[in-house]
Amino acid sequence: GAGVSQSPSNKVTEKGKDVELRCDPISGHTALYWYRQSLGQGLEFLIYFQGNSAPDKSGLPSDRFSAERTGGSVSTLTIQRTQQEDSAVYLCASSLYDSSYNEQFFGPGTRLTVL
Amino acid sequence: TQLLEQSPQFLSIQEGENLTVYCNSSSVFSSLQWYRQEPGEGPVLLVTVVTGGEVKKLKRLTFQFGDARKDSSLHITAAQPGDTGLYLCAGAGGIKAAGNKLTFGGGTRVLVKP
Repeated sequence: GAGVSQSPSNKVTEKGKDVELRCDPISGHTALYWYRQSLGQGLEFLIYFQGNSAPDKSGLPSDRFSAERTGGSVSTLTIQRTQQEDSAVYLCASSLYDSSYNEQFFGPGTRLTVL
Repeated sequence: TQLLEQSPQFLSIQEGENLTVYCNSSSVFSSLQWYRQEPGEGPVLLVTVVTGGEVKKLKRLTFQFGDARKDSSLHITAAQPGDTGLYLCAGAGGIKAAGNKLTFGGGTRVLVKP
């Protein structure tokens, strides 16, 4: 079966441009998470979606970051007016349901480079 | 802010040696998970520990969860080059956390030389 997929795998953009990162979770998984991994900060939580509930946006670093999940499946993370400090690997994960005991399956990530 | 601290940050050993990675927090978590990540890939779950004092074994890997559910360790016996990777601990369902987003430690990069 297919795992979590993300696209693009690599994205190079110029400072000030907007970017969209896509995540396709495992079919049937109700919870979807976005994380960011950078050299200086390690792996940090950004946002998560659970079913039809309002998303937990508590990890978004600024209002330039937003995400949506359409139809309870595919999710898009949007970064507006990108800055060099946004350069990182953006990881998406999904789990069958939202539980602290439930395994999160990660995608391969999108490596974002802001020049 | 809930923080997980891992030590050491980097470990280089010879094949056949043993190693231990530590993960410590000042906060209590409902569960603690260990992941391994290889270059260009996302983290892959190795184990989830839930009960204070719990010990889980996965072949040559032994995982312990502290009695107070604040710390954990990963011990690898007779390490092999295939064990090379970035090991991450992650806490879920902390008392101050809403939902089950993972709080990750900084990671331990393990290199096993043949």
